[in-house]
Amino acid sequence: GDSVTQMEGPVTLSEEAFLTINCTYTATGYPSLFWYVQYPGEGLQLLLKATKADDKGSNKGFEATYRKETTSFHLEKGSVQVSDSAVYFCALSGGNQAGTALIFGKGTTLSVSS
Amino acid sequence: GAVVSQHPSRVICKSGTSVKIECRSLDFQATTMFWYRQFPKQSLMLMATSNEGSKATYEQGVEKDKFLINHASLTLSTLTVTSAHPEDSSFYICSARVANTGELFFGEGSRLTVL
Repeated sequence: GDSVTQMEGPVTLSEEAFLTINCTYTATGYPSLFWYVQYPGEGLQLLLKATKADDKGSNKGFEATYRKETTSFHLEKGSVQVSDSAVYFCALSGGNQAGTALIFGKGTTLSVSS
Repeated sequence: GAVVSQHPSRVICKSGTSVKIECRSLDFQATTMFWYRQFPKQSLMLMATSNEGSKATYEQGVEKDKFLINHASLTLSTLTVTSAHPEDSSFYICSARVANTGELFFGEGSRLTVL
């Protein structure tokens, strides 16, 4: 079945460092890909998404490009801030059909220190 | 933005009791709600999909008699863990799909501890 694999954390960085969180997927068909973020004490929030190959999702300085050839959707940010400390989840959706649930990776905890 | 509220956020109960967790979409109608379970350092595992006014669809391996899901209105779904045992201790998260746009929003999660 469909699955998502993301790098294990925790990832510990200093402020202004470059961030990469790897995410690869296995899916039949052409899934949509997502990155969600969960700040301490809050629910999951959509960070960015891409719905087809070569699409680049971006938000708040974060970017991820849908790479069909490598089945990857790596999350990057050029300069992290302390406020970016959170758990990041990569996810895929099997399609746009109503009722399709998301399949999540295990989550990667990012800790940024000043 | 759209808000999904879960209640309670934390609950501790004795083994053998039943616990109800509510998931409400506060400012939109949700035709579909999803219930996930998350173990420490594990992924969110889909438990069931519920559509308003119909029976929930459970994922393989999820006991439907153990985890009762009701989606009686377009803004409320409930998950009842019946006769809870320590192995049911987990973090339960709901997600609601906006009726007209298909967007997904997540609740803050409910941490259940069964003693």
